[in-house]
Amino acid sequence: QVQLQESGPGLVKPSETLSLTCTVSGGTISGYYWSWIRQSPGKGLEWIGYIHYRGSTNYNPSLRGRVSLSVDTSTNKLSLNLRSVSAADTAVYYCARGGDLAALYSCFGPWGQGTLVSVSS
Amino acid sequence: SYEVTQPPSVSVSPGETARILCSADAFTKEYAYWYQQKPGQAPVMVISQDTARPSGIPERFSGSRSGTTVTLTISGVQAEDEADYYCQLPDSDTYHVVFGGGTKLTVL
Repeated sequence: QVQLQESGPGLVKPSETLSLTCTVSGGTISGYYWSWIRQSPGKGLEWIGYIHYRGSTNYNPSLRGRVSLSVDTSTNKLSLNLRSVSAADTAVYYCARGGDLAALYSCFGPWGQGTLVSVSS
Repeated sequence: SYEVTQPPSVSVSPGETARILCSADAFTKEYAYWYQQKPGQAPVMVISQDTARPSGIPERFSGSRSGTTVTLTISGVQAEDEADYYCQLPDSDTYHVVFGGGTKLTVL
């Protein structure tokens, strides 16, 4: 059974870069799309972007070029970098597996448990 | 920009049928998905590809689609169904994933 686990600093200073890792266990990264989603406190879900295991990406335009995703199939890990953060980026960050077919890129399951990142000085 | 809209709240009594509608402001060919999120937990998919029910999801959950509107129906609502529900309906022009704002289902 595939499991996902997000990890990274729980506190990031304004204007710095938020970096998170998603470790995939019980299965392989290869063959699938992988997404990052975030949820600000008390708010709804916001899609950040997805990456195919071969490296192609698609990002939420609202993040204005601040985000980059990468994948390492040798270590079964995904990475998220979000530059120039502000308090508005405070959220629980989730990674989730998409489908294995192009038509199923947004079929999210399973999800990681999420990790809370606060942006504050 | 492409937007997906769902009602902020729906309330039903136990045993009744809850319907949550989600509409896109433009036609999309992409599949719709529905997720259930309980407090402090990660979302879980309850409807896949417009109408399919993932393994382990009770039969009382069903999905349908008509034009730019998708509907999540929960028949015979139980107390354990109280949660936030999110629709997800990507933009078929850009393949950007878009979530609705979420609907809080209250079981009276």
